[in-house]
Amino acid sequence: EVQLVESGGGLVQPGGSLRLSCAGSGFTFSSNAMSWVRQAPGMGLEWVSSFSVTAHSTYYADSVKGRFTISRDNSKNTVYLQMNSLRADDTAVYFCAKNWLGELTYFHAWGQGTLVTVSS
Amino acid sequence: QSVLTQPPSASGTPGQRVTISCSGSSSNIESNYVYWYLQLPGTAPKVLIYRNNQRPSGVPDRFSGSKSGTSASLAISGLRSEDEGEYYCAVWDDILRAPVFGGGTTLTVL
Repeated sequence: EVQLVESGGGLVQPGGSLRLSCAGSGFTFSSNAMSWVRQAPGMGLEWVSSFSVTAHSTYYADSVKGRFTISRDNSKNTVYLQMNSLRADDTAVYFCAKNWLGELTYFHAWGQGTLVTVSS
Repeated sequence: QSVLTQPPSASGTPGQRVTISCSGSSSNIESNYVYWYLQLPGTAPKVLIYRNNQRPSGVPDRFSGSKSGTSASLAISGLRSEDEGEYYCAVWDDILRAPVFGGGTTLTVL
C-alpha cells in the first residue's frame, strides 16, 4: 500500500523559513516524480512544485519561484520542500503527492497534508 | 483566476446523472491529457480519471471522462450521497510549463 506522510508544518512569521518533509513507502520511490500541492483555507488546489524522474528536473509555480526549493533523497524515500521568505498568502495545507512515473499532472497518491500558517 | 474554468457548483438527486465541465485552451486541454480529482470533505484529494477517460482501479464505472477540443467533462451516473465533494480538473499547460487545476466544482446530492 502506498503511503505518504508529511511533516514539518507549523506557525512561522512572515519572512521566515520552514522545511517540509514527505516520507514515502509501499512503492519504488526513485521511479516516480514527486510533487507538492497546496490548498489555502477555503480555496481550491494549487500546484506548487514537482521533481521529475528523468533529467532530475524541478518545476515551480510562479508564485513560489525563487523562494521555494524542492529536493529529494531517494536513499531515504523522502521529498522535501524548503520554503523561504514566507508570506501570509503561503498559508495553506501542503499535500505531498506521488506522480505516476513521470506524468507531472497525474497525482496518483496523496499524503494527508501538513498545515503551514504564516502569521505574526 | 485559473486557466481552467469549472462551474462553482453542481447538484443532482440520487440516481441521476450529472456532468461537470472544464474549459481550457489550445495550450492545455486541447493538447494534453486531462485528469479529474475528487476531494471529499476533510480529506486529501484522490484521482478519479486519468488520461482523459481512464479509471484507476477501485474507481466505479459510474465515473467517466471525456474531452473535445478545448473542453473536458466528467460524468457521474447513478448519483449517490457519498459522491458529494469537490471535483477538480487538472491538465498540463504548455505555456506555463506547469500542471494547472480548475477552480473546483462543489457537487451536492439533494
